[in-house]
Amino acid sequence: QKEVEQNSGPLSVPEGAIASLNCTYSDRVSQSFFWYRQYSGKSPELIMSIYSNGDKEDGRFTAQLNKASQYVSLLIRDSQPSDSATYLCAVGLAGRDDKIIFGKGTRLHILP
Amino acid sequence: DAGVIQSPRHEVTEMGQEVTLRCKPISGHDYLFWYRQTMMRGLELLIYFNNNVPIDDSGMPEDRFSAKMPNASFSTLKIQPSEPRDSAVYFCASTVGFNEQFFGPGTRLTVL
Repeated sequence: QKEVEQNSGPLSVPEGAIASLNCTYSDRVSQSFFWYRQYSGKSPELIMSIYSNGDKEDGRFTAQLNKASQYVSLLIRDSQPSDSATYLCAVGLAGRDDKIIFGKGTRLHILP
Repeated sequence: DAGVIQSPRHEVTEMGQEVTLRCKPISGHDYLFWYRQTMMRGLELLIYFNNNVPIDDSGMPEDRFSAKMPNASFSTLKIQPSEPRDSAVYFCASTVGFNEQFFGPGTRLTVL
């Protein structure tokens, strides 16, 4: 069974601090990794994608991928109240068994 | 450019009735996905199409669910007969080349 695991939270972080969200996956052939943000009552929106080991930075967001350890993380620097949302990790499997699997998400709450 | 369009946005129906959800993907996207989201189960992939052809329907819960994509700009998800446990938010998403997905606003379905 291919799985993507996230801590459901809520994760509470003071405004201005760094929020760290983690995700582990079970399938070693996973090739693409995504972080989506979902506000309550809204649809998921892509904020980061990463395909190779290491860090990828985009503004206040940094995605980190470690394929050997099978985890991907998202760091949010200078957290703002508007970052309060649920963050979904998604893992893509390519090849004969193309599939994208979502984790259940981590609820993040930024404390003003 | 318009994003993914879904209709209706809200649907309330009685158990046993037929429900049809509609989706118009982003023009030029060759993959279309149908998801269901609940608090208990998170975001679940139901079925996806590539170039209008169903590729993986292993997530369709049972024979009461069916999906079609008659052309590149339109897809439907049908539930017949509907049951209260089908109540959820149903999302349609599209993408190019099985990469970052763009989600529609969702249809909130309530089956009484």
